[in-house]
Amino acid sequence: NAGVTQTPKFRVLKTGQSMTLLCAQDMNHEYMYWYRQDPGMGLRLIHYSVGEGTTAKGEVPDGYNVSRLKKQNFLLGLESAAPSQTSVYFCASSSLNRGRVYGYTFGSGTRLTVV
Amino acid sequence: AQTVTQSQPEMSVQEAETVTLSCTYDTSESDYYLFWYKQPPSRQMILVIRQEAYKQQNATENRFSVNFQKAAKSFSLKISDSQLGDAAMYFCAYRGAFGNEKLTFGTGTRLTIIP
Repeated sequence: NAGVTQTPKFRVLKTGQSMTLLCAQDMNHEYMYWYRQDPGMGLRLIHYSVGEGTTAKGEVPDGYNVSRLKKQNFLLGLESAAPSQTSVYFCASSSLNRGRVYGYTFGSGTRLTVV
Repeated sequence: AQTVTQSQPEMSVQEAETVTLSCTYDTSESDYYLFWYKQPPSRQMILVIRQEAYKQQNATENRFSVNFQKAAKSFSLKISDSQLGDAAMYFCAYRGAFGNEKLTFGTGTRLTIIP
């Protein structure tokens, strides 16, 4: 009964380093999302996926790439980390029931610091 | 594009009293969902309550209830009998009812409970 699992939970990067955040869900949800949370700005969508092999840009996609090779996994990559990418990152997944939104589950977040 | 506005960055309430958090939104859609999420210091995003726009009846979940005014595009959260465990960041969120639409979040209200 894991729901949405994010790894790692904390990470410190040096400017210019790369890393990948992993999101895994065991609910067979079609849609998956990556958000970032910054103080005073709520959560903003980075990228999302509507199914295996598909990805799309969200509100703040620059500097990030994503992949969804398997339905249960959604990876967020930072190719060359910048201090502006210091944030808390949330993965979420959702499903449809008869074409309507049904459920929206969040992971516990990853705190990333870029120094 | 949809927008969600929370005009109260911080609120405080005495334990056992009632508090109302405000949220307004802007949309041209007629069918959508509205949510209140709670984020305690643990960082986990916890769904508090959900309202379907096509339902006239206001949603309630134990001590939590909403005042949904569709024409005014207002969606406030009322917490009755406030408890110390209610202290958290509260986010109002919107999404369209169909397809892969993202959640659009407000900037949040930090609620403090005074013992």
